[in-house]
Amino acid sequence: AQSVTQLDSQVPVFEEAPVELRCNYSSSVSVYLFWYVQYPNQGLQLLLKYLSGSTLVKGINGFEAEFNKSQTSFHLRKPSVHISDTAEYFCAVSERFSGGYNKLIFGAGTRLAVHP
Amino acid sequence: DSGVTQTPKHLITATGQRVTLRCSPRSGDLSVYWYQQSLDQGLQFLIQYYNGEERAKGNILERFSAQQFPDLHSELNLSSLELGDSALYFCASSVRDQGLQETQYFGPGTRLLVL
Repeated sequence: AQSVTQLDSQVPVFEEAPVELRCNYSSSVSVYLFWYVQYPNQGLQLLLKYLSGSTLVKGINGFEAEFNKSQTSFHLRKPSVHISDTAEYFCAVSERFSGGYNKLIFGAGTRLAVHP
Repeated sequence: DSGVTQTPKHLITATGQRVTLRCSPRSGDLSVYWYQQSLDQGLQFLIQYYNGEERAKGNILERFSAQQFPDLHSELNLSSLELGDSALYFCASSVRDQGLQETQYFGPGTRLLVL
């Protein structure tokens, strides 16, 4: 079964500083990776996804992630964060099950706290 | 706004009671997934339906059940509730991207508090 490890439970950062949120997954032949964001008291919003093709994936709100197959990583980055980026970020891998359908395996989440 | 709707937003009930959570998928999406988010277990997949049929089960308790109706909305039924069932319950619907890969879009969730 797939698994996802988010290496940092909390990341404090100052406004306008760069940030990297780390994610590692268990290896698989084919892997599909996602980052979701959860703002306080809200649901999960899709930030970006990697299905195939270019290893650098651009998402919404200025975020991007790089798929690294050799290191089984999918780290999320933003060059300059805003206060409004304060949220919990979840990395997820898609696991196929019989019938050709998929379920998401989530990491434990990283709480990004942006300070003025 | 993902286009997935969930009602109610909040639910407070007592131990031993039964509740029903409702989800409407995005227009055109046939798949509905249910997830539970709790402090100790994180985000866990519960069950998936596709066009009215159950497709896969995850860590769903026997006290919990779900169904998907002909209009594609889904309901998650939680019975004999325990304190530990307090959690945020998410519904997601999916669209197929390429091949057999799907992207799931999540609703705002229902926050259940069992007292």
